[in-house]
Amino acid sequence: ETGVTQTPRHLVMGMTNKKSLKCEQHLGHNAMYWYKQSAKKPLELMFVYNFKEQTENNSVPSRFSPECPNSSHLFLHLHTLQPEDSALYLCASSQGQGPEETQYFGPGTRLLVL
Amino acid sequence: AQTVTQSQPEMSVQEAETVTLSCTYDTSESDYYLFWYKQPPSRQMILVIRQEAYKQQNATENRFSVNFQKAAKSFSLKISDSQLGDAAMYFCAYRSANTDKLIFGTGTRLQVFP
Repeated sequence: ETGVTQTPRHLVMGMTNKKSLKCEQHLGHNAMYWYKQSAKKPLELMFVYNFKEQTENNSVPSRFSPECPNSSHLFLHLHTLQPEDSALYLCASSQGQGPEETQYFGPGTRLLVL
Repeated sequence: AQTVTQSQPEMSVQEAETVTLSCTYDTSESDYYLFWYKQPPSRQMILVIRQEAYKQQNATENRFSVNFQKAAKSFSLKISDSQLGDAAMYFCAYRSANTDKLIFGTGTRLQVFP
């Protein structure tokens, strides 16, 4: 266990559904991240939050909407997704945003869009 | 733009033997950090080892060590005395000193045979 939890672990949704992914870190970190992991592709950084403020949006489509109410919680709201959005979504956190910082990852949410 | 290449999609090793996973990267920067992450079948990504580009000495963490060749932009991971629990996907990652982004390779799946 890395101190980062994600729920749900598995999610199946239709293209017209609205769902949310939740991430919680118990490490007292200040930075949180969303990554997308697709088969045979490198992990793609989606969003970065530092002290609840979004500092990075890596050209992510607006059907993905992040929310960071506090430094311990991070959400990813999903609506009108496409089948190609099916992937493993990983959350991570780090103490700060410095390049030397270790990122601690959650177990991921396996998303299937039908 | 920086890129990370892992040219070995799969590797295998016998228990107690040594295996080396390859990673090359492309960057024009001189200040950066390199990481190896392990993702076991349970999917929680864990940091294995980290190398600061300004350090000439190769990082070592118990049975894990790296061969960092800055001029060649190579960062290989050596696992000594391989154990069954080492079986996982291994990701090489790069982070510039100037950005928030952790750039990952496509991963190498390591199998360990008894």
